Amino acid sequence: SYVLTQPPSVSVAPGQTAKITCGGNNIGSKSVHWYQRKPGQAPVLVIYYDSARPSGIPERFSGSNSGNTATLTLSRVEAGDEADYYCQVWDSANDHLFGGGTKLTVL
Amino acid sequence: QVQLQESGPGLVKPSETLSLTCTVSGDSITSISYYWGWIRQPPGKGLEWIGSIHYSGNTYFNPSLKSRVTIFVDTSKNQFSLKLSSVTAADTAVYYCARRTRDPFDYWGQGALVTVSS
Repeated sequence: SYVLTQPPSVSVAPGQTAKITCGGNNIGSKSVHWYQRKPGQAPVLVIYYDSARPSGIPERFSGSNSGNTATLTLSRVEAGDEADYYCQVWDSANDHLFGGGTKLTVL
Repeated sequence: QVQLQESGPGLVKPSETLSLTCTVSGDSITSISYYWGWIRQPPGKGLEWIGSIHYSGNTYFNPSLKSRVTIFVDTSKNQFSLKLSSVTAADTAVYYCARRTRDPFDYWGQGALVTVSS
């Protein structure tokens, strides 16, 4: 079955750039979506179809997808960006599949 | 603004059926453009999609849970519901309802913790 692999944690200083990866076999051939989840809050879609940004999501959030790795990039990181981030794809065998999640810590 | 809210018992006994309802506001559950889904997260684990439904009745499920899952819509109340039968401790999780547009889930509820324990 298809597996999405994310690093458990990423740490970054305020104002720096954070990159959160999502690995999968030939993931570049799939559409990847990214969600932000803060404790006690509903998950929020932050990037869809690899690199599109929903209305209301800051331009600091960007995405890319190629080969075996999709990447969520947060530029000029702020304390409010601290959250868990999940990637998601649609797979013909498993339907909607999520990565294990990455905890972003702002130092 | 679209909002989703999960409701239901927070404690279910092993072998019984877990039942949750999602109430949708700010949008009609009969919109032809959307599917409505359930996703869960067991403690310490990642997100797992459970299943989705279109108001027309079309459903599809995670193959690993399909034999135990029922999802149905109540258009009069603008709600959709989840039933998961024969639960075990492994079904303890935060359960989320969400709206799916084409592929991504664009609106989510805050989640409801369901514990399976005697």
